[in-house]
Amino acid sequence: EAGVVQSPRYKIIEKKQPVAFWCNPISGHNTLYWYRQNLGQGPELLIRYENEEAVDDSQLPKDRFSAERLKGVDSTLKIQPAELGDSAVYLCASSGGRSTWNEQFFGPGTRLTVL
Amino acid sequence: RKEVEQDPGPFNVPEGATVAFNCTYSNSASQSFFWYRQDCRKEPKLLMSVYSSGNEDGRFTAQLNRASQYISLLIRDSKLSDSATYLCVVIRPPLLSGGSYIPTFGRGTSLIVHP
Repeated sequence: EAGVVQSPRYKIIEKKQPVAFWCNPISGHNTLYWYRQNLGQGPELLIRYENEEAVDDSQLPKDRFSAERLKGVDSTLKIQPAELGDSAVYLCASSGGRSTWNEQFFGPGTRLTVL
Repeated sequence: RKEVEQDPGPFNVPEGATVAFNCTYSNSASQSFFWYRQDCRKEPKLLMSVYSSGNEDGRFTAQLNRASQYISLLIRDSKLSDSATYLCVVIRPPLLSGGSYIPTFGRGTSLIVHP
């Protein structure tokens, strides 16, 4: 079974440029998460989807970040415009099952460098 | 005070040693608890869930102390391959009423097992 797929794996952009990350969760997983992980820190939740509904986006910086999961499957996270402080690894995770909190399966992440 | 706190280490131990990590959380209404393992430049992977009664999986034992608001991870007979960062995850209530519970990661504890 394929795991969580993310692309691109690496992205280098100049500040003020836009950037987008794509995630395809494990087939059948209804819950999708986007996290940001800074060096030496744990992942920080940005947004969580249940199917196509964003059930928690309270930690998403909405002035420059946006996300969508239109058909309840794959998802895109966008930053526009990017700032130097956005340099981090952006992780996507998915989970399934009946319990409220199940194991999260993470993708390999997108390492973003903003110059 | 941070929602979830971990000693970043590193914990430097010889093969065969027993090592323990703690993770404290600030919100007593936190719901579920997990330990994840993250290898260098890799994604986090679930190590084990933490149950109220404590649980053991081979050389790994996880415990929850709700009264003192911490979880622990004990690794017996350490192997070289145990070298990694161990992240605790706490499912905590939202800061604002009406929101959903949020998975919150600690910054991780680095373990280095040497020959």
